[in-house]
Amino acid sequence: AQTVTQSQPEMSVQEAETVTLSCTYDTSESNYYLFWYKQPPSRQMILVIRQEAYKQQNATENRFSVNFQKAAKSFSLKISDSQLGDTAMYFCAFMKHLNTDKLIFGTGTRLQVFP
Amino acid sequence: NAGVTQTPKFRILKIGQSMTLQCTQDMNHNYMYWYRQDPGMGLKLIYYSVGAGITDKGEVPNGYNVSRSTTEDFPLRLELAAPSQTSVYFCASSDGTRSGYTFGSGTRLTVV
Repeated sequence: AQTVTQSQPEMSVQEAETVTLSCTYDTSESNYYLFWYKQPPSRQMILVIRQEAYKQQNATENRFSVNFQKAAKSFSLKISDSQLGDTAMYFCAFMKHLNTDKLIFGTGTRLQVFP
Repeated sequence: NAGVTQTPKFRILKIGQSMTLQCTQDMNHNYMYWYRQDPGMGLKLIYYSVGAGITDKGEVPNGYNVSRSTTEDFPLRLELAAPSQTSVYFCASSDGTRSGYTFGSGTRLTVV
């Protein structure tokens, strides 16, 4: 069974600085998908970034980028130029290459951005 | 475009009561899911559906039932509410293209 581990329950960063959130996963699959979701205090789940395992190039979305290390089964999220609006819970998630598209979530990292 | 709509947003139940959490999507997605999120934890899959008339259990299905009579609707039924079912419930849908899910805004359920 696939598992997703986020070892940092809480992180904090000053506004305009850079922060990296860690995620590791365990799978025997060779083709799969990885996601980072943001959950602000409003409770809404918002997709931040997605990475396909078959792509060697790391995904980027504006200030958000990932460091995908397939051999190490590591998928960290880097937030550059942190903003107060980045304060939220961040969940790493794994999706196996199957028709059911089930997402498996980590336990989350609470990020606080300070002025 | 409403996306995924969940009702109610909040509910307090007494032990042993029953209720249905409603979920509707207007994107014609075949795949729909119910997750629960306990405090300080990630989301765990309760039930999912790959199309109308097809449902299957996820990781934590005990105490819940679902049905999928239409593509749009995927209600979650709690028959005998227990305090362990106090949680935030999320419904989600996807079109199966690995683009990720569209989530509803969640239902906060408290069982007392």
